[in-house]
Amino acid sequence: GAVVSQHPSWVICKSGTSVKIECRSLDFQATTMFWYRQFPKQSLMLMATSNEGSKATYEQGVEKDKFLINHASLTLSTLTVTSAHPEDSSFYICSATYGYTFGSGTRLTVV
Amino acid sequence: AQKITQTQPGMFVQEKEAVTLDCTYDTSDQSYGLFWYKQPSSGEMIFLIYQGSYDEQNATEGRYSLNFQKARKSANLVISASQLGDSAMYFCAMRGGSGAGSYQLTFGKGTKLSVIP
Repeated sequence: GAVVSQHPSWVICKSGTSVKIECRSLDFQATTMFWYRQFPKQSLMLMATSNEGSKATYEQGVEKDKFLINHASLTLSTLTVTSAHPEDSSFYICSATYGYTFGSGTRLTVV
Repeated sequence: AQKITQTQPGMFVQEKEAVTLDCTYDTSDQSYGLFWYKQPSSGEMIFLIYQGSYDEQNATEGRYSLNFQKARKSANLVISASQLGDSAMYFCAMRGGSGAGSYQLTFGKGTKLSVIP
């Protein structure tokens, strides 16, 4: 139980375009999900807390207009990186409250 | 504010030997939880073991055990009988506080474990 599915696993996009990353809880309902970012050879840093039916809570220094989070249902949270730039290239990974389970992560490369 | 410190950037261990990965933490919360995750090169975060602040016994999960010393604020991970597949990054993490925000995790910088045949 407590499986979190994240897609895509990797994505390459052109600078200036937007990319959507999905995080689904497969066998449980997740009222809260967390989005983390991990740069190469660094630790995971919390970006935002996604709350079902309400606005996401962003950590200090994270641009809410650039990283759009939508949590419209109890099983799906999405992170959209808008107008992506090379400095947004990173590993993005979500987790859900139940069991502290993580998705498999998305490696984003902006060229 | 919570803080996790992992002082070993890298560790080497001989196959079949035991290894201890260090983790110290700092928090003002009375109730908190400590986690260890394994991150192979693929990037996925694999949950290994959990210790609650009020748990009286050290947590164990197969070859993994957590040496919890509350007074010293340490939560070291012990891996017994190391295997080649144990080579990976290992992260210590903490949750704490109250409400929905208590579920977010604060991570240490990680320790890269290399198992030598």
